[in-house]
Amino acid sequence: QKEVEQDPGPLSVPEGAIVSLNCTYSNSAFQYFMWYRQYSRKGPELLMYTYSSGNKEDGRFTAQVDKSSKYISLFIRDSQPSDSATYLCAMRETSYDKVIFGPGTSLSVIP
Amino acid sequence: DADVTQTPRNRITKTGKRIMLECSQTKGHDRMYWYRQDPGLGLRLIYYSFDVKDINKGEISDGYSVSRQAQAKFSLSLESAIPNQTALYFCATGVGTSPNEQFFGPGTRLTVL
Repeated sequence: QKEVEQDPGPLSVPEGAIVSLNCTYSNSAFQYFMWYRQYSRKGPELLMYTYSSGNKEDGRFTAQVDKSSKYISLFIRDSQPSDSATYLCAMRETSYDKVIFGPGTSLSVIP
Repeated sequence: DADVTQTPRNRITKTGKRIMLECSQTKGHDRMYWYRQDPGLGLRLIYYSFDVKDINKGEISDGYSVSRQAQAKFSLSLESAIPNQTALYFCATGVGTSPNEQFFGPGTRLTVL
């Protein structure tokens, strides 16, 4: 079993839709959970991160962590064509700085 | 100018050749990383360096070596390239006070024939 898993997609939605992107993980020691966005032919860039369980909102983006289920989500409201990218979840333990990345989900938002 | 640059951006080479990928940064960060990205496997850590005198193996270091020539420069070498090293390679930087955020370069697409 991989340490971090994501549905690779591709996911295609109409503009304005609510998008839900998800990851599952196996290491219960993970405490920091990150979402990176990667545009085509570019390097990933950090969108947001959360610590432990709960929700965090940043504009149209909401990150949600359920540690009891080892499941994290990223919600995108009012999706825009500019949101079309690959979304990578990532996570790490508190005392260990190495970040483990998921394989990414490809998202296309159709105008 | 980009904060993290990688050269070359694309490279095609043959099995058995020695290849060097270079990374430079102007962010002043102490930490630098090399990853490879393969479809369905995501980003996997090859080597990382927390300062000039610190080099550490990642999860897939076999067949690779690195050199941290200065705080701003971190090179990745493939001593004898093989076809399964065909991948997209990323350099990234970071700081110890913010380990959740890494800053990635644009990537090098390497093809080994």
